[in-house]
Amino acid sequence: DAKTTQPPSMDCAEGRAANLPCNHSTISGNEYVYWYRQIHSQGPQYIIHGLKNNETNEMASLIITEDRKSSTLILPHATLRDTAVYYCIVRPATDSWGKLQFGAGTQVVVTP
Amino acid sequence: KAGVTQTPRYLIKTRGQQVTLSCSPISGHRSVSWYQQTPGQGLQFLFEYFSETQRNKGNFPGRFSGRQFSNSRSEMNVSTLELGDSALYLCASSLWASGDETQYFGPGTRLLVL
Repeated sequence: DAKTTQPPSMDCAEGRAANLPCNHSTISGNEYVYWYRQIHSQGPQYIIHGLKNNETNEMASLIITEDRKSSTLILPHATLRDTAVYYCIVRPATDSWGKLQFGAGTQVVVTP
Repeated sequence: KAGVTQTPRYLIKTRGQQVTLSCSPISGHRSVSWYQQTPGQGLQFLFEYFSETQRNKGNFPGRFSGRQFSNSRSEMNVSTLELGDSALYLCASSLWASGDETQYFGPGTRLLVL
């Protein structure tokens, strides 16, 4: 079973910020939070990852709560091209990628 | 820097045949993982290679095999194809096998078994 819980779907208006929640209440101290997205029938695309601190890159921001039990991915200005399934994943730094577990993700639909 | 490439992109086979899929990782990356994605099962891990050695293997039958070459390129083979093997096969690479690393995915190979 995946270690994360995400809402199955959410809608967002184009140009508005999209806030995608993820619950990872059993996260361990050495586990990173990763976000990927997958546009229909394409390979998953890396977005961002973090351990404890909030992170920002050109695509998104990652806000991790102080207790690290949940996080939020923020797409600051959603566009139609952001329509995709978004996956939140936790992964221990000591584990190989082979133990990565993708859940069902959140289907995000950006509407004009 | 070029991303992960996979060939072929699309493939149609019939039951009982075998297939070989190829993956070229990002230059300098030494870890390659393979995944199978189907609508019903989602994204499932097949195997992982690092420096030509299989490090991990998922829960798939022995018909699924893979290897990695000295240049880090990887291939996976599926023998005696079954209808249920129809899926998107994804390859992903990372610099190392663990640590604060990011794994990057290729576009996938869409396999249809008739």
